[in-house]
Amino acid sequence: DTAVSQTPKYLVTQMGNDKSIKCEQNLGHDTMYWYKQDSKKFLKIMFSYNNKELIINETVPNRFSPKSPDKAHLNLHINSLELGDSAVYFCASGYGTPHSPLHFGNGTRLTVT
Amino acid sequence: EDQVTQSPEALRLQEGESSSLNCSYTVSGLRGLFWYRQDPGKGPEFLFTLYSAGEEKEKERLKATLTKKESFLHITAPKPEDSATYLCAVQAVLDQSSGDKLTFGTGTRLAVRP
Repeated sequence: DTAVSQTPKYLVTQMGNDKSIKCEQNLGHDTMYWYKQDSKKFLKIMFSYNNKELIINETVPNRFSPKSPDKAHLNLHINSLELGDSAVYFCASGYGTPHSPLHFGNGTRLTVT
Repeated sequence: EDQVTQSPEALRLQEGESSSLNCSYTVSGLRGLFWYRQDPGKGPEFLFTLYSAGEEKEKERLKATLTKKESFLHITAPKPEDSATYLCAVQAVLDQSSGDKLTFGTGTRLAVRP
């Protein structure tokens, strides 16, 4: 009965590789997000999708590409991984309306060596 | 640009010792202020939403208040299970391209000793 689930939980890879993180929500929400949490625990939005349409695209390198096959899924593909990409990536979902809270997954810890 | 500053960065309390966490914010127009709790290895868990100055919300030992410039999270008689990082976030009234994004502070790490 997990609400927002991400896979994998841990991802260790080498510089230059391409990797993907998957996210699924079963809350019936229309909007999904990717947030990045750095080593100082600062959470910053990367992307948001509403019903498969890109709404927010913050200043993120174009090596990061979100893909939303349907409104319950939002995947994150990262090309040519760099050391600075190491962080915890959180998927979240919400109704996309004012005041509606976001529900977060438990994160994917990405380590680039 | 929206800014959220939380203080203190870390707080250690004895069980039963009440205290408050501060969240100062600067936004073009506040749509909502959110408090989340984050446990190690977990995603943030929603606690409260506050919409307008003067508003208060309570949940068990936690009480959140809001003014035009800051929010406080008061913890009354905390227990060890209240130990976590508490995150504050604001949602601003922005143009359509900004959507409904949340801008987070860096959090307050709370440790409650038995």
